[in-house]
Amino acid sequence: GQQVMQIPQYQHVQEGEDFTTYCNSSTTLSNIQWYKQRPGGHPVFLIQLVKSGEVKKQKRLTFQFGEAKKNSSLHITATQTTDVGTYFCAGEESQGNLIFGKGTKLSVKP
Amino acid sequence: EPEVTQTPSHQVTQMGQEVILRCVPISNHLYFYWYRQILGQKVEFLVSFYNNEISEKSEIFDDQFSVERPDGSNFTLKIRSTKLEDSAMYFCASTVSGGAEDTQYFGPGTRLTVL
Repeated sequence: GQQVMQIPQYQHVQEGEDFTTYCNSSTTLSNIQWYKQRPGGHPVFLIQLVKSGEVKKQKRLTFQFGEAKKNSSLHITATQTTDVGTYFCAGEESQGNLIFGKGTKLSVKP
Repeated sequence: EPEVTQTPSHQVTQMGQEVILRCVPISNHLYFYWYRQILGQKVEFLVSFYNNEISEKSEIFDDQFSVERPDGSNFTLKIRSTKLEDSAMYFCASTVSGGAEDTQYFGPGTRLTVL
């Protein structure tokens, strides 16, 4: 079945530093979605990328979808303490079933 | 803003007991999902449901699990005979149409603890 791999597993940064998490799929994806989960919370949808090579920005967050639609990245510029949480990528399998990566847990030191 | 709700927020049960986790999806949504997240691990797909039938299910969703939409609003996940390894957060999600560009809205989750 489809596998979605995500690295790194953990990232500790100083406030103000940048952060990037990478996602790779074993198969070509129709789309990729990114979620953020705060400690103790539930996954909250951030964005969906559909087109090959697509780049989308949300304030300090930049999302990229690879040309081959097999990889994706999330980059946060100048991290803040409010960015703390686990960031998951998820590829769609069929009929909306999401296959999640293991997530990257971000901690930000003030 | 409409949201997915789940009850209870925390369920503690003895091994071998049956549990029913309840979800109320967003009212105009047609596709429903259950996911689970073992503590510290990734979110795993369990099952999807549409038109009163299971659409897809994962290897995790064995004969001990069942889902039901008993009325027009609730969507339930039943575990017949709980095992210790069933301890996890269970998230319900729903979408309007289940299409490729559809956003999944997650509920707050039910933390299941099996003793």
